[in-house]
Amino acid sequence: NAGVMQNPRHLVRRRGQEARLRCSPMKGHSHVYWYRQLPEEGLKFMVYLQKENIIDESGMPKERFSAEFPKEGPSILRIQQVVRGDSAAYFCASSPPSTGEAFFGQGTRLTVV
Amino acid sequence: DQQVKQNSPSLSVQEGRISILNCDYTNSMFDYFLWYKKYPAEGPTFLISISSIKDKNEDGRFTVFLNKSAKHLSLHIVPSQPGDSAVYFCAARAWGAQKLVFGQGTRLTINP
Repeated sequence: NAGVMQNPRHLVRRRGQEARLRCSPMKGHSHVYWYRQLPEEGLKFMVYLQKENIIDESGMPKERFSAEFPKEGPSILRIQQVVRGDSAAYFCASSPPSTGEAFFGQGTRLTVV
Repeated sequence: DQQVKQNSPSLSVQEGRISILNCDYTNSMFDYFLWYKKYPAEGPTFLISISSIKDKNEDGRFTVFLNKSAKHLSLHIVPSQPGDSAVYFCAARAWGAQKLVFGQGTRLTINP
């Protein structure tokens, strides 16, 4: 049973470009979470999704950021018109339908130059 | 508003001794607590959890203690091993919610 898969592992974008981060949850997990970790800080919750639904996006910046978890395929975190302050590690986690611990992927390190 | 706080950014412990990592929280709705371990350039790995109906949970060298009245939990690692050197995150989840709220992390270094 493969773990949570994130790609790419590293992503470099110029200011103003778009960044797309992908996350495939563990098999059988229908809940996906995105977290962001800035240098020397903890993980900050961004968004919680179930298939085709955004359940909680209270941690998402109001502009430029969006997330989806389609019926087929991975969850996508999309950042439009990236700025230097978006440089961070973005982690995806998944959990089964019943409550329990979340399992994390290895993260995507976004660098905006 | 930091609802989960790990006040020690770093901790250094001798190999073989006990490591104690602390975590405080402010939200009384939190009812499930977890510890994660993170190596550089990797994602957090789940270590151990505890429900608010318990005050202790043990798994091998790892024990988590919960003091609900003080809104405090701690992770004990004994004996500490060099491979335990990592950043440890405390996380909490409120009743009825799914998202985890994380502390800032404590960097544990085990010295030989």
